[in-house]
Amino acid sequence: EAGVTQSPTHLIKTRGQQATLRCSPISGHTSVYWYQQALGLGLQFLLWYDEGEERNRGNFPPRFSGRQFPNYSSELNVNALELEDSALYLCASSEGTSGYNEQFFGPGTRLTVL
Amino acid sequence: GNSVTQMEGPVTLSEEAFLTINCTYTATGYPSLFWYVQYPGEGLQLLLKATKADDKGSNKGFEATYRKETTSFHLEKGSVQVSDSAVYFCALTPSGSARQLTFGSGTQLTVLP
Repeated sequence: EAGVTQSPTHLIKTRGQQATLRCSPISGHTSVYWYQQALGLGLQFLLWYDEGEERNRGNFPPRFSGRQFPNYSSELNVNALELEDSALYLCASSEGTSGYNEQFFGPGTRLTVL
Repeated sequence: GNSVTQMEGPVTLSEEAFLTINCTYTATGYPSLFWYVQYPGEGLQLLLKATKADDKGSNKGFEATYRKETTSFHLEKGSVQVSDSAVYFCALTPSGSARQLTFGSGTQLTVLP
């Protein structure tokens, strides 16, 4: 069974540009989560989507946004990129919305903002 | 709010040594608790979990017990191997409607032959 996939693997942008990151969950999983792993800041929750709806968002500015498509894949958009947005962005999926359900992580997209 | 505090790293051990990585949490109610591991160049993998008080999670020789009275979920392994070298993250999902993981800062473990 295929795991969580993310694209692209690496993304290089300049300050002020927009970045789009993509995630495909494990087949049958309806929940998708986005996390940021920035150097020195650890892993921080960004967004949670389930059944096409945004269920919760972390303490990030509105220029971080996303959506979930009918096939449960998801996009993370970061507008007006800043240098401090450079980080590894991890996507995870889970089978349902119970807190007992394991979240399976993708390999991440490394975003570099120059 | 919810938070997870992990033992500061890095931790360096010799092969076959005993490992403990401390983890304490702050959360209301009964959160679910997890240990994730990140091997060099790879994504996060679930190592073990516990969903209620006094539960013991175990996998690959690692164990952790959910202690409600001390709000702790310490990771232990009796005899580490070089292949255990990785970054270990303690995490929780809260009780209630929110389902996102709150992570600790991670502990880098290096095991020397």
